[in-house]
Amino acid sequence: DGGITQSPKYLFRKEGQNVTLSCEQNLNHDAMYWYRQDPGQGLRLIYYSQIVNDFQKGDIAEGYSVSREKKESFPLTVTSAQKNPTAFYLCASSMWYRPPTNEKLFFGSGTQLSVL
Amino acid sequence: AQSVTQPDIHITVSEGASLELRCNYSYGATPYLFWYVQSPGQGLQLLLKYFSGDTLVQGIKGFEAEFKRSQSSFNLRKPSVHWSDAAEYFCAVVQPGDTGRRALTFGSGTRLQVQP
Repeated sequence: DGGITQSPKYLFRKEGQNVTLSCEQNLNHDAMYWYRQDPGQGLRLIYYSQIVNDFQKGDIAEGYSVSREKKESFPLTVTSAQKNPTAFYLCASSMWYRPPTNEKLFFGSGTQLSVL
Repeated sequence: AQSVTQPDIHITVSEGASLELRCNYSYGATPYLFWYVQSPGQGLQLLLKYFSGDTLVQGIKGFEAEFKRSQSSFNLRKPSVHWSDAAEYFCAVVQPGDTGRRALTFGSGTRLQVQP
């Protein structure tokens, strides 16, 4: 079945540690996104990528880094510079049309990151 | 910058009652508009979307939404709520066209509780 796989489901970070969240899709989608979700704040965009080897900062990119070496994969690294990393992280993907007529996002089931 | 406001953080309705969830956006031009639903600990699922044309949009699970340009609103409605509709609902926007930010901006969400 096609879809988006996020792993791990739960992740714990120690002080000063970098951690990487995995996101893989087999939908052949061009665009991929990372959102952070905190209670009462909705989803906030961290980074997004329209095509391989290209990505743009979202609203809260500080303390995070991404790569897009393959169409299927868009890993997110939470660096030690991110002082408040505890949150639920959602990865999503979508088709990319010009002009865009289909902005439907497909979401993974998320990763809960907590600080030890 | 575009923004989305969902003024109701939490709503409780009785099963079988009607439902309306409010969404207002702030943007110079009419954006593309979306409603997503999220079950606890899961990703988001698209309910419906509006790009242009008929201002009353039908979605899945019996939901509909009406776009009102004069009020910059895109409220979600359902005539009769089922217990399985209990979830968190997010309104989202993205600007039309090929340039600029190509990722959805989400509201802070409305948590729906359904009483038997």
